[in-house]
Amino acid sequence: AQSVTQPDIHITVSEGASLELRCNYSYGATPYLFWYVQSPGQGLQLLLKYFSGDTLVQGIKGFEAEFKRSQSSFNLRKPSVHWSDAAEYFCAVGVSGNNRKLIWGLGTSLAVNP
Amino acid sequence: EAGVAQSPRYKIIEKRQSVAFWCNPISGHATLYWYQQILGQGPKLLIQFQNNGVVDDSQLPKDRFSAERLKGVDSTLKIQPAKLEDSAVYLCATTELTNTGELFFGEGSRLTVL
Repeated sequence: AQSVTQPDIHITVSEGASLELRCNYSYGATPYLFWYVQSPGQGLQLLLKYFSGDTLVQGIKGFEAEFKRSQSSFNLRKPSVHWSDAAEYFCAVGVSGNNRKLIWGLGTSLAVNP
Repeated sequence: EAGVAQSPRYKIIEKRQSVAFWCNPISGHATLYWYQQILGQGPKLLIQFQNNGVVDDSQLPKDRFSAERLKGVDSTLKIQPAKLEDSAVYLCATTELTNTGELFFGEGSRLTVL
């Protein structure tokens, strides 16, 4: 069965420090992979996506993610975190075909210390 | 381009009362999803429409939840009667027919059941 695992429930980093949020998936076919961010009281916003091609993808707000097929991972990174990055981050796998939907991880809550 | 519109943003009701949420998708987006997001968890798919037809409602509690998408545009999600455990944010998301899973979310409707 398809699944997405985000091992870290909560992470705290200092402003200016680097960040890596982990995501592992289980899916039999070539995955479509997404990272979404949810700020308090807001809906989810797409940060970046991987469909095919270059395994290092760039997103908005200075984020990037690397798809590693051998590790079934799609970790999110940012070299220098800003206080405004404090939010909930969700990794998701897209199920292809007519029944198009996303399989979601449980999310990682990011806190940023000044 | 206007985003996904949802209303109301907030609703407080007592258990056993009824409530309805409304969603207006991005123009031209054929697929519409309703998600339930309980505090501290990832989104849970309730129902997926493609135009005005239901694609997946396997996780919709049909004894109390109903949804419709007349004319394949706007959608409403109704809960009757509400239970305490229905307290959550209800997110509407839409996508183009040919999309591989990238969703565009509204800001959500936060329901509190007392």
